[in-house]
Amino acid sequence: QSALTQPPSASGSPGQSVTISCTGTISDVGGYNYVSWYQQHTGRAPQLMIYEVTKRPSGVPDRFSGSKSGNTASLTVSGLQAEDEADYYCSSYAGSSSLVFGGGTKLTVL
Amino acid sequence: QVQLVESGGGVVQPGRSLRLSCAASGFTFSSYAIHWVRQAPGKGLEWVAVISYDGSSKYYADSVKGRFTISRDNSKNTLYLQMNSLRVEDTAVYYCATGTIMGTDYWGQGTLVTVSS
Repeated sequence: QSALTQPPSASGSPGQSVTISCTGTISDVGGYNYVSWYQQHTGRAPQLMIYEVTKRPSGVPDRFSGSKSGNTASLTVSGLQAEDEADYYCSSYAGSSSLVFGGGTKLTVL
Repeated sequence: QVQLVESGGGVVQPGRSLRLSCAASGFTFSSYAIHWVRQAPGKGLEWVAVISYDGSSKYYADSVKGRFTISRDNSKNTLYLQMNSLRVEDTAVYYCATGTIMGTDYWGQGTLVTVSS
């Protein structure tokens, strides 16, 4: 159950787009279409932003989108806004009824 | 609306036990799997355990297997985490989260467990 690999930080200016990667293996990200992305503001609980690789829960702006290629999933935030500044975590189903999370990426809006 | 409220956290000495609870409302509790996920101070998220909708299946992370037990009481809409033989490295905010075996959606606000002598 090794953690998924995310870059520790990412940044962009308001209005720009930024993409955060999440790399796993064939045993997790590459083997299942059950990748999720969470946003966590400081001191708050994580909030689901993307599930099953590309799906958005109701209420999540369409500026947030997800994709996957091989063992790497990606979250793209378009039209960056100040309130998007937060930590972002990916997770994946890893078989045997277990989940694995990424180490998190701190997104800074410049 | 979906609400999950964790409780039972606190300061405990290494080797001792603690039981966390997660009270659910706003959805059909007995229809969903529930996960425990923890976050050590300043660190990332770590999956801890999951229990199926009816409590018949339970799965654990290797780091807690044999020490933690997840359970639920669907008549009380409540999830539990019995934590035994606690270690300093178990110090974290513990979140409960609804979903399926393959992922989570709604999360509670968490309860802090501090293991320290």
